[in-house]
Amino acid sequence: EPEVTQTPSHQVTQMGQEVILRCVPISNHLYFYWYRQILGQKVEFLVSFYNNEISEKSEIFDDQFSVERPDGSNFTLKIRSTKLEDSAMYFCASSGLQGKAGELFFGEGSRLTVL
Amino acid sequence: DAKTTQPNSMESNEEEPVHLPCNHSTISGTDYIHWYRQLPSQGPEYVIHGLTSNVNNRMASLAIAEDRKSSTLILHRATLRDAAVYYCILIVLGAQKLVFGQGTRLTINP
Repeated sequence: EPEVTQTPSHQVTQMGQEVILRCVPISNHLYFYWYRQILGQKVEFLVSFYNNEISEKSEIFDDQFSVERPDGSNFTLKIRSTKLEDSAMYFCASSGLQGKAGELFFGEGSRLTVL
Repeated sequence: DAKTTQPNSMESNEEEPVHLPCNHSTISGTDYIHWYRQLPSQGPEYVIHGLTSNVNNRMASLAIAEDRKSSTLILHRATLRDAAVYYCILIVLGAQKLVFGQGTRLTINP
């Protein structure tokens, strides 16, 4: 069964450092997402991406965040200057049928710890 | 986004059916009812979705009230692997994002 894969599974970084989280969505999907989950809290939407541009973003997704699809397979989330409160589990998701309220497929997540 | 209300937690026994309720009294006509679940230390996983009619798939069944103000996710024969947080989410057709609530934490006893 096709799956969304994410790397790294866990990254520890110092506050102020740049972090790039990588995702390989399911190959024929067209819609890509990042969500995050702070320990013990709800899963929160960050951003959606379609046709090489951001289609929607939340208030969390400020100027410190960016997304990119550098080639035909990867989808990345960059945090330019990490803060302590960026420590969370970050989930990538992809969908092929958004227009039909289709299902999202999530990866297993990348745990980011900011010290 | 229309709001959903779910019990914080439920408990059931292995190999018994489980009925997970969700209230969504402010649902609009274009809202789809989606269920996702999150197993421990994993990303959310799609379970099922529906609009008006009851739905069945290999994982579960979704029973939707006639007035659509509530729905029930049915796991016909729970296994230990079904222990997870279950989220009931309303999504307008074409919407960009899922809005997760706190969900229902389901515990399965052996």
